[in-house]
Amino acid sequence: EAAVTQSPRSKVAVTGGKVTLSCHQTNNHDYMYWYRQDTGHGLRLIHYSYVADSTEKGDIPDGYKASRPSQENFSLILELASLSQTAVYFCASSDRGRRAEQFFGPGTRLTVL
Amino acid sequence: GDSVTQTEGLVTVTEGLPVKLNCTYQTTYLTIAFFWYVQYLNEAPQVLLKSSTDNKRTEHQGFHATLHKSSSSFHLQKSSAQLSDSALYYCALSEASGGSNYKLTFGKGTLLTVTP
Repeated sequence: EAAVTQSPRSKVAVTGGKVTLSCHQTNNHDYMYWYRQDTGHGLRLIHYSYVADSTEKGDIPDGYKASRPSQENFSLILELASLSQTAVYFCASSDRGRRAEQFFGPGTRLTVL
Repeated sequence: GDSVTQTEGLVTVTEGLPVKLNCTYQTTYLTIAFFWYVQYLNEAPQVLLKSSTDNKRTEHQGFHATLHKSSSSFHLQKSSAQLSDSALYYCALSEASGGSNYKLTFGKGTLLTVTP
């Protein structure tokens, strides 16, 4: 059974609209992450969280907000979606520690028109 | 901040021949952990190898890598490529982001295509 799930798996949004991507993990991990994947840029960290009710900015946070209401759930919010935010978004979770590997969800393909 | 540089773009190799994907890094921290992630078509990235010990060879699924802090490298190698190895490969560095918190910095990825 998949330990990190994402919803929706695919979404088409209009420019200026609000988009919410959801992530749920059953790994009992403290850390959760949101990445976007673009050809030529690889995986880039948007936001992450190491405890419920707290989020941290990653490397490219502009235009995104995050919410961690519980240990299991982590959402990524695009208040005003733009064309440049068309990408594949991955959520991941990990245990504490620098050797801890991250476990990724299946991804959400977002297209902003 | 820290950075990871991989063989960029596309690497094509013939089945049965060796393959090497380069990864070098720059970091301000003495103690680090390194990962190779593999992403098959339409799937999520998953860990292939991980290491934090200098000069120790790590192996998994026929791939191997050795962390060399003296040359700031963690190259991925396989002696005989298989068609099923075709995938996107990421090198990643675990770095402290403040206090006891850690995050991964990924390279841009290398797309490996193995041809018959």
